Amino acid sequence: GAVVSQHPSRVICKSGTSVKIECRSLDFQATTMFWYRQFPKQSLMLMATSNEGSKATYEQGVEKDKFLINHASLTLSTLTVTSAHPEDSSFYICSARGTGRGQGEQFFGPGTRLTVL
Amino acid sequence: GENVEQHPSTLSVQEGDSAVIKCTYSDSASNYFPWYKQELGKGPQLIIDIRSNVGEKKDQRIAVTLNKTAKHFSLHITETQPEDSAVYFCAASGSTGGFKTIFGAGTRLFVKA
Repeated sequence: GAVVSQHPSRVICKSGTSVKIECRSLDFQATTMFWYRQFPKQSLMLMATSNEGSKATYEQGVEKDKFLINHASLTLSTLTVTSAHPEDSSFYICSARGTGRGQGEQFFGPGTRLTVL
Repeated sequence: GENVEQHPSTLSVQEGDSAVIKCTYSDSASNYFPWYKQELGKGPQLIIDIRSNVGEKKDQRIAVTLNKTAKHFSLHITETQPEDSAVYFCAASGSTGGFKTIFGAGTRLFVKA
């Protein structure tokens, strides 16, 4: 149980285009989903927290108009990187916390590697 | 806010030896401490966790200890195997900050065959 999937696993795009990444909880309902980015050999940096049916809460320094997050259902959250630039190239990872789960317990997706040319 | 420090950043052990990774946290309100293993190009995988009402927890070759007074917790891997080689992250969460999980910087573990 507690499986989280991400799609796509890898994406290459041209500078200026937008990219959408999907995060799905496959066998549980996720009331809260988190989006992280990770640069090579570094730790996970929390970008935003999204609760189903409400606006995402962004961490300081993360542009909400550039990283659009939608959590429309209890099993799906999407992150759209708008007008992507090479500096947005990174490993993006989502995680989900379900209803009835122990406090704090999160399960991570496999990540999406974004390369912006 | 919460701050989690993790040591060492790199750890190399011989197969069969034990590995210990240590973390400290700053927020006394933190009460949930998970450990994640991340292999290259993959997302983190929860390997063990401990809550503040417990001092120690063990799962086969993996154990975690928690000292709330000192605000530190440790991961112990016994009888290490080459497949244990990965990056390990400790983390802490609690009511402060809405139960956000704060990660340590990570420890790159190499197990030499």
